[in-house]
Amino acid sequence: DAMVIQNPRYQVTQFGKPVTLSCSQTLNHNVMYWYQQKSSQAPKLLFHYYDKDFNNEADTPDNFQSRRPNTSFCFLDIRSPGLGDAAMYLCATSRGSNSLAEQYFGPGTRLTVT
Amino acid sequence: AQTVTQSQPEMSVQEAETVTLSCTYDTSESDYYLFWYKQPPSRQMILVIRQEAYKQQNATENRFSVNFQKAAKSFSLKISDSQLGDAAMYFCAYTNTGNQFYFGTGTSLTVIP
Repeated sequence: DAMVIQNPRYQVTQFGKPVTLSCSQTLNHNVMYWYQQKSSQAPKLLFHYYDKDFNNEADTPDNFQSRRPNTSFCFLDIRSPGLGDAAMYLCATSRGSNSLAEQYFGPGTRLTVT
Repeated sequence: AQTVTQSQPEMSVQEAETVTLSCTYDTSESDYYLFWYKQPPSRQMILVIRQEAYKQQNATENRFSVNFQKAAKSFSLKISDSQLGDAAMYFCAYTNTGNQFYFGTGTSLTVIP
């Protein structure tokens, strides 16, 4: 089945130690998103890629970076994780502006910072 | 700027009863999509139902239906014959571009056996 896959599902990192979360999709969608979601809150958009075009939200900290080497994969890099970065990180995809369709979400990666 | 508002942080419903979750949004666009997503505890966010703004007919998916009032910018979700598996966080979302999506703050639904 076509889907959005996130690895790992659970990630523990130490304060200040760089960490990378990965997302892949088999939907061949143009747009890929990274959201941060803290407990019982709405997902907060960090950035999104439309194909190779990177779109950063204005309030996304510089500590968060992203890479999309090809259509299928997108990575979230947290350069120096702080305790406040502990959260669920959701990857999502959508077809993009030519089709007003829904987003498809991955299962998320729960990040713990010790 | 587009905003999506869910004014009910928590709701509860007896099993087999009906519950309505509210959502309002603000936009100056005429063409857009609205969605309800369900996020069970520790599980994946999945689409429940979607509504195209140009359609006057309210969307329906089995026990889930919406009441879309375009002029009032209101988009409520009705869950009929509630089941224990309906317990989850429900998010209302909006897009007019297909690139950017705006989410409400969510409504936590409890189903009482």
